Amino acid sequence: AQSVTQPDIHITVSEGASLELRCNYSYGATPYLFWYVQSPGQGLQLLLKYFSGDTLVQGIKGFEAEFKRSQSSFNLRKPSVHWSDAAEYFCAVGSGANNLFFGTGTRLTVIP
Amino acid sequence: NAGVTQTPKFQVLKTGQSMTLQCAQDMNHEYMSWYRQDPGMGLRLIHYSVGAGITDQGEVPNGYNVSRSTTEDFPLRLLSAAPSQTSVYFCASSTGGLYDTQYFGPGTRLTVL
Repeated sequence: AQSVTQPDIHITVSEGASLELRCNYSYGATPYLFWYVQSPGQGLQLLLKYFSGDTLVQGIKGFEAEFKRSQSSFNLRKPSVHWSDAAEYFCAVGSGANNLFFGTGTRLTVIP
Repeated sequence: NAGVTQTPKFQVLKTGQSMTLQCAQDMNHEYMSWYRQDPGMGLRLIHYSVGAGITDQGEVPNGYNVSRSTTEDFPLRLLSAAPSQTSVYFCASSTGGLYDTQYFGPGTRLTVL
């Protein structure tokens, strides 16, 4: 069965610093991979997704993620964080079988 | 263009009561879904629909009913609420399914006493 692990419950970074949020998945074949962001009191918004092809995926709001099959990882990165990036970030994996499994989320705090 | 709307925003129920969480979208999306979000857990899929008249179960369907009579609306019914159903519920819609870009509503926070 698929599973998703986000090892970091909470991360604090300074505004302007770089960011990397970790995501590891468990699935036998090539999964469908997603990153979503949830601002306080809001629903989720898709940042980016990976199905196949180029393993470095560009998303909205300046985010990117890299699929590394050998490490079963799909880490999210941003070179320079803005205060408005403070939110909760969810990694998700799908197998193509009409289900989508979400990680437990990483809460990002941005210090001015 | 309102996107995905959910009502109510907050609800408190007593054990055994029934209620319907409303979800509507104005983007003409065929695919709609319901998730629950619990503290310390990721979102879990309850039910989904690939079009009017067609629904199916997700990961955690027990205790919930759905129907899809129109493209726009996808209500979620709790027939006999239990404290284990205390959660935040999100509705989402998309053009092409779970793996397409899903648009989420703002959520309904439900407490069952």
